[in-house]
Amino acid sequence: QVQLVQSGAEVKRPGASVKVSCEASGYPFNSYDVTWVRQATGQGLEWVGWMNPGSGRTAYAQKFQGRVTMTRDTSISAIYMELRSLRSEDTGVYYCARGVYDSSGYWADVWGEGTTVTVSP
Amino acid sequence: QSVLTQPPSVSGAPGQRVTISCTGSSSNIGSGRDVHWYQHLPGTAPRLLLYSNNNRPSGVPDRFSGSKSGTSASLAISGLQAEDEADYYCQSFDINLNVPFVFGTGTKVTVL
Repeated sequence: QVQLVQSGAEVKRPGASVKVSCEASGYPFNSYDVTWVRQATGQGLEWVGWMNPGSGRTAYAQKFQGRVTMTRDTSISAIYMELRSLRSEDTGVYYCARGVYDSSGYWADVWGEGTTVTVSP
Repeated sequence: QSVLTQPPSVSGAPGQRVTISCTGSSSNIGSGRDVHWYQHLPGTAPRLLLYSNNNRPSGVPDRFSGSKSGTSASLAISGLQAEDEADYYCQSFDINLNVPFVFGTGTKVTVL
């Protein structure tokens, strides 16, 4: 079945970087975008960015521009999200999800289980 | 900053019908972009509930339905069940921001 498996929880100091992985299985890896969404502590869902695994093309939310980079390893069907210069407000759960689109919209149909990132001195 | 506004909470007794509104603008819902809905239980992955306004993925009960009109959309849950207690988010595409995922502010559904 279609599945996205994320890496485990991370604890980081302010100013550090974190790299979260998302391994896809059960579908053609290059055929679907992978998008990242986070839920900061006590907040709602927030889009971080997406990557097209086939082309390597990325797009990031303006809020994260300059601090986030998404990469992929097609040999193991994995997407990575690195967030730098971490601050306490980045504490939360980061989800990867498979993106689906048509002429009228774009949505996420399968989600990873989430990776908790804690930023603490 | 969410560009789609939802009520913070709605509640209902088991068996009742509740609706959740999602209000946007001419740069997202009003531009003709579809609305999608997710159910999120704390500590779990969000679940796609409806896509393209009113389409249910396999496995989603037909108690869940959606509609869209103008710059707003709504999610209806009929025959409310205890397992429906969760957070619900709408999502659309904003053409002015050029952001494919703009989420609503989220609504907590409580089953009384």
